[in-house]
Amino acid sequence: QKEVEQNSGPLSVPEGAIASLNCTYSDRGSQSFFWYRQYSGKSPELIMSIYSNGDKEDGRFTAQLNKASQYVSLLIRDSQPSDSATYLCAVLAGTASKLTFGTGTRLQVTL
Amino acid sequence: KAGVTQTPRYLIKTRGQQVTLSCSPISGHRSVSWYQQTPGQGLQFLFEYFSETQRNKGNFPGRFSGRQFSNSRSEMNVSTLELGDSALYLCASSFTGKNEQYFGPGTRLTVT
Repeated sequence: QKEVEQNSGPLSVPEGAIASLNCTYSDRGSQSFFWYRQYSGKSPELIMSIYSNGDKEDGRFTAQLNKASQYVSLLIRDSQPSDSATYLCAVLAGTASKLTFGTGTRLQVTL
Repeated sequence: KAGVTQTPRYLIKTRGQQVTLSCSPISGHRSVSWYQQTPGQGLQFLFEYFSETQRNKGNFPGRFSGRQFSNSRSEMNVSTLELGDSALYLCASSFTGKNEQYFGPGTRLTVT
């Protein structure tokens, strides 16, 4: 079983819709969770971090964490073509600085 | 504030050679981590340095090594290059006590 799992996609959503990206992790000791956006040929860009159960909102982005279910998700409201990218879920366990990444979900926002 | 910088951005090497990549963290960040990204394996952790000491190491062979200088700049070295070392090498920095890591643009290494 992979440590961090994501559906590779592509996830296709129409412009203006809500995109829902999901991630599960296996290490119950994980304490910090991150979403990165990576455009083709570019490096990952941090867009959200979440540490506590529940929702965290930042602009059009909402991260949701459920530690009991070992599940973290990212919602993108009012999706725009510029949101088309690969979204990487990353998990940090304990005090180590080693990020464990999922393989990423490719999001396509269509006109 | 300037972001993480990495040099060189692109590199072509031959099997058996060695290579050194450089990373300058965001000003004030003392933790530097290195990652390898390939289409097949995704993003994998190489090692992390803090205050010139390696704090964590991933599952890579000893051909991969690194170091950090007193100004927090870091270098990683790969010796005896193999074709499979072709990848995007990413450096990320974080502020002391904070978990958020910010990535540089990466160095694209091609081994022929």
